[in-house]
Amino acid sequence: DIQMTQSPSSLSASVGDRVTITCRASQGISNYLAWYQQKPGKVPNLLIYAASTLRSGVPSRFSGSGSGTDFTLSISSLQPEDVATYYCQKYNSAPFTFGPGTTVDIK
Amino acid sequence: EVQLVESGGGLVKPGESLRLSCGASGFTFSDYSMNWVRQAPGKGLEWVSTVSSRSSYIYYADSVRGRFTITRDNAKNSLYLQMNSLRAEDTAVYYCARGIGNSGTYYADYWGQGTLVTVSS
Repeated sequence: DIQMTQSPSSLSASVGDRVTITCRASQGISNYLAWYQQKPGKVPNLLIYAASTLRSGVPSRFSGSGSGTDFTLSISSLQPEDVATYYCQKYNSAPFTFGPGTTVDIK
Repeated sequence: EVQLVESGGGLVKPGESLRLSCGASGFTFSDYSMNWVRQAPGKGLEWVSTVSSRSSYIYYADSVRGRFTITRDNAKNSLYLQMNSLRAEDTAVYYCARGIGNSGTYYADYWGQGTLVTVSS
C-alpha cells in the first residue's frame, strides 16, 4: 500500500506569515490528493481536492500544488482562525490513506 | 443543507459487536459514495471503509477487513457500519462522510459530527 507522510509534524508561526506543509506519497498518485483542516474539537473540513482545486468558500489564502509524489499546502498569510491540524489524503485508489497530520499554531 | 447524523456509538467489551448508523439529508443520497472515517482519542484520521453509490464497490482498511461491514439503504438515506469482534484499538470517534468521485477514487466533502465508540473491559 502507498504510505503518506507529512512534514513538519507541527509548526508555530506568526500572524501574517506564509506557511507551507508538505505531503509525500510513497508512490505516484497523480493529482488524487485532498487536504483537510480540523480545528480543535471540530469536525474535519475539506479545503482542497485534486491537489490544487480550492473548495468553494475556502479563503483564497489557502492553496495547494503538486503531482505525483510531492504535494504542498500553503497558507499565504496565517490568521488566528487557521490554528488547526491539517491532513492530506490520497484517493487515487483504496486504501484512501490519510497523512499523519501537521499541527499549526500561532507563535 | 447537507446533514449527516451518526448514531449507535457506546461502550462495549472486547469481542462484542456494535452497529453504527448515519442518516443523511439535504442531498440525493443515492448519487454519492459514502465513507466511514475514525479518529482515536488524540490521534489522526484513519479511513475505515467506503461504499459506492449503488453498493457496487466496497472497500475496507486492512485493520477492519473481515470484522467490519459497510452497508447502505438508499431508500432510507442511511449508511451503516456493522462492527464485530471489537478490539480496544477500535476505540475512536467514527465519522460518516459523503464521498465525491467515481471509479474507485473518492474523497470526502461533508462530514457528520461523529459518534464515539469505546471498547473496554
